[in-house]
Amino acid sequence: AQSVAQPEDQVNVAEGNPLTVKCTYSVSGNPYLFWYVQYPNRGLQFLLKYITGDNLVKGSYGFEAEFNKSQTSFHLKKPSALVSDSALYFCAVRDMNSGAGSYQLTFGKGTKLSVIP
Amino acid sequence: KAGVTQTPRYLIKTRGQQVTLSCSPISGHRSVSWYQQTPGQGLQFLFEYFSETQRNKGNFPGRFSGRQFSNSRSEMNVSTLELGDSALYLCASSGEVGSYNEQFFGPGTRLTVL
Repeated sequence: AQSVAQPEDQVNVAEGNPLTVKCTYSVSGNPYLFWYVQYPNRGLQFLLKYITGDNLVKGSYGFEAEFNKSQTSFHLKKPSALVSDSALYFCAVRDMNSGAGSYQLTFGKGTKLSVIP
Repeated sequence: KAGVTQTPRYLIKTRGQQVTLSCSPISGHRSVSWYQQTPGQGLQFLFEYFSETQRNKGNFPGRFSGRQFSNSRSEMNVSTLELGDSALYLCASSGEVGSYNEQFFGPGTRLTVL
């Protein structure tokens, strides 16, 4: 079975400082990895994904993520945090080898990011 | 393109009742998935439909059911509601099966069971 772990329930960072939100995963086959963001009373917004290729993936709103196969990690990063980045962030994985064609995602518990002015 | 829409946005029911939630995917998307989000359990997969067929089902009791129509719109139904069914129910749509597309989520339906 596939799983995702986000070891930090909350991350606090000062505005202008770099931020990192951690994610590790476990799948039996090749992973599809995603980051989503959720603002209060809203659905999930897609930020970026890793399928294959370059280990550094760039996404929306200046976010990027680094895929590390040996550490089974997919940490989300941003060079300079904004107050408007404060939200709930979810890492998700899709096992490419399960459920032919299925889009089913397994999500981490989420990390609340607070950017302090 | 319009995004994923879900109706209603908010719903209050009492224990024992049943409820139907609706989801309209992005135009052209044929895959619709449903997720339940609660503070305790996080985001959990309910089921996935593609071309009116259920492709995948999560670990939920049979009180939770769904269907997809020929226009790709989907409904999910919860019968005999329990207090623990209070949650945000999210619908997501995706492009063609087998492609590398991400899922696009709707705003959710907030269900409160009293």
